[in-house]
Amino acid sequence: TQLLEQSPQFLSIQEGENLTVYCNSSSVFSSLQWYRQEPGEGPVLLVTVVTGGEVKKLKRLTFQFGDARKDSSLHITAAQPGDTGLYLCAGLKGSNYKLTFGKGTLLTVNP
Amino acid sequence: DTAVSQTPKYLVTQMGNDKSIKCEQNLGHDTMYWYKQDSKKFLKIMFSYNNKELIINETVPNRFSPKSPDKAHLNLHINSLELGDSAVYFCASSHSFGQRAYEQYFGPGTRLTVT
Repeated sequence: TQLLEQSPQFLSIQEGENLTVYCNSSSVFSSLQWYRQEPGEGPVLLVTVVTGGEVKKLKRLTFQFGDARKDSSLHITAAQPGDTGLYLCAGLKGSNYKLTFGKGTLLTVNP
Repeated sequence: DTAVSQTPKYLVTQMGNDKSIKCEQNLGHDTMYWYKQDSKKFLKIMFSYNNKELIINETVPNRFSPKSPDKAHLNLHINSLELGDSAVYFCASSHSFGQRAYEQYFGPGTRLTVT
């Protein structure tokens, strides 16, 4: 059973389009992190959301944590080719040191 | 300036061999991790050490043995390599306290190919 479900699994769009990636669970998380991974590299942290209902913005990226802290979304406005990569959400339950990762959304932004 | 470094970057070896991957972090973190990323890009935790103490040991074959000589280093030794061990192995580190607790900083990965 996958604790964190990400959708869509693959997304291919044109430059300038908007998109939303979802991360859903039936479990409550104390916090949720989003990472981006480019080919041949390790994941890089984008943001951490902690409070239910929290919205964080990082330039054209908007992250939201669900009110019940079971789900999160990542919205990208006016996508650019540089946004191409694997987007991973990861949830932390309590203070057990262990992050559980979703399977990722592979985003391709075509020029 | 490298934050989390791993060696080697690529490792090609035959079934049955024993190999090690090394990891070092210079971020002053107290917790280090090993992850395995399979061909479908699924990232799964294997081990975690906090202040040199093993705190997470997922269901991993005992052919895999981590060792943490100090807080800045976490090595992974694999005995009797099997075809199914082929994957990318990532080392990561984090604080275990404070506002940025458990935010992971990943190394560049080691691509292990077992033939």
